[in-house]
Amino acid sequence: AQSVTQLGSHVSVSEGALVLLRCNYSSSVPPYLFWYVQYPNQGLQLLLKYTSAATLVKGINGFEAEFKKSETSFHLTKPSAHMSDAAEYFCAVSAVDDKIIFGKGTRLHILP
Amino acid sequence: GAGVSQSPSNKVTEKGKDVELRCDPISGHTALYWYRQSLGQGLEFLIYFQGNSAPDKSGLPSDRFSAERTGGSVSTLTIQRTQQEDSAVYLCASSSRREGSEQYFGPGTRLTVT
Repeated sequence: AQSVTQLGSHVSVSEGALVLLRCNYSSSVPPYLFWYVQYPNQGLQLLLKYTSAATLVKGINGFEAEFKKSETSFHLTKPSAHMSDAAEYFCAVSAVDDKIIFGKGTRLHILP
Repeated sequence: GAGVSQSPSNKVTEKGKDVELRCDPISGHTALYWYRQSLGQGLEFLIYFQGNSAPDKSGLPSDRFSAERTGGSVSTLTIQRTQQEDSAVYLCASSSRREGSEQYFGPGTRLTVT
């Protein structure tokens, strides 16, 4: 069975600062990992996903995430935060023939 | 092609009434999920359909909630005898069976129980 933990239900960063959203997973088999974003009053959309190719995955809007098997982590980063990045971010994990499991989400606040 | 669609987009109902929420997944997607998202809360998994397999109902909060998927396509989530705590946005998502396939989400149905 898979599980995912997102550290920090709320994260605040200043505009222009580094964004780091943490995600740790548990999986008994090689996982597939995802980050989704939900902007205010909108649906969820995929930011990026890891499917056992390159460990550093680049997504939309300048976000990227690195799969670290030794740390069972898949943290999301962006070098410089924009006001438009304010949203809720969800990490998710799945395995072959199994449902996708979502974390509880991290709400990102951007400070001017 | 078209994405995941849900109807109605908004539903206001009186406590005690039954409601049906509909999801049309992306054509060809074998997996379909229902989630509930309450104000300021994360995604609460409700039920998962994968092809012809028995659905995973482990997330349904009570026996007032049920869902079916007809012909491997359209799904209906039914809530009987609605309660005020059922008020939330109900999200549907679908995905293909390919390994590592992501979910595509619908816009959701906002349910308000008065």
